[in-house]
Amino acid sequence: GNSVTQMEGPVTLSEEAFLTINCTYTATGYPSLFWYVQYPGEGLQLLLKATKADDKGSNKGFEATYRKETTSFHLEKGSVQVSDSAVYFCAPPLNDYKLSFGAGTTVTVRA
Amino acid sequence: DGGITQSPKYLFRKEGQNVTLSCEQNLNHDAMYWYRQDPGQGLRLIYYSQIVNDFQKGDIAEGYSVSREKKESFPLTVTSAQKNPTAFYLCASSIVTGGQETQYFGPGTRLLVL
Repeated sequence: GNSVTQMEGPVTLSEEAFLTINCTYTATGYPSLFWYVQYPGEGLQLLLKATKADDKGSNKGFEATYRKETTSFHLEKGSVQVSDSAVYFCAPPLNDYKLSFGAGTTVTVRA
Repeated sequence: DGGITQSPKYLFRKEGQNVTLSCEQNLNHDAMYWYRQDPGQGLRLIYYSQIVNDFQKGDIAEGYSVSREKKESFPLTVTSAQKNPTAFYLCASSIVTGGQETQYFGPGTRLLVL
């Protein structure tokens, strides 16, 4: 079945630092891949997605490129802000309804 | 505005009591889901429904029940059989475009036991 392996946190950064959160996947074919973000006390929001190999998803300064040669979908942001403090989830493809999200990566950005 | 609403934001349960969490969506999505999130942990799937009048157990269905009588509504009942119900509950719905499914989440309900 399809699955993802996400870098564990927590990650603590200073404002304007570069952020990378690693995510690798195992999948049949080339399904869509997703990053979600959860701000404190809120539900998950879809941050970005990529629907096919070599696609780049981007939103709010975050980017992730779907790389089939390394089976990766790493999340990056060049200059983080305090408001980026949240939990980030690399999401498995939804063609297996019994898959669940992992623990996510908690990111804290200090001023 | 289209979206997923969950109510209430906070819910308190007494011992031995059943409580129902509401989830409504006006996105015309066919599939809906319930997840449980515990502090420092990921989301665990409780139940999901792909179409009206049909639903399937997820990984942790024991002590929970659902119904799907309308496309836009997927309420979750936490029964007295659920011995550790304190958690953050997230409802989601999904749509398939181009053969790929994307899931969207509500704001969540925090359940606390008195």
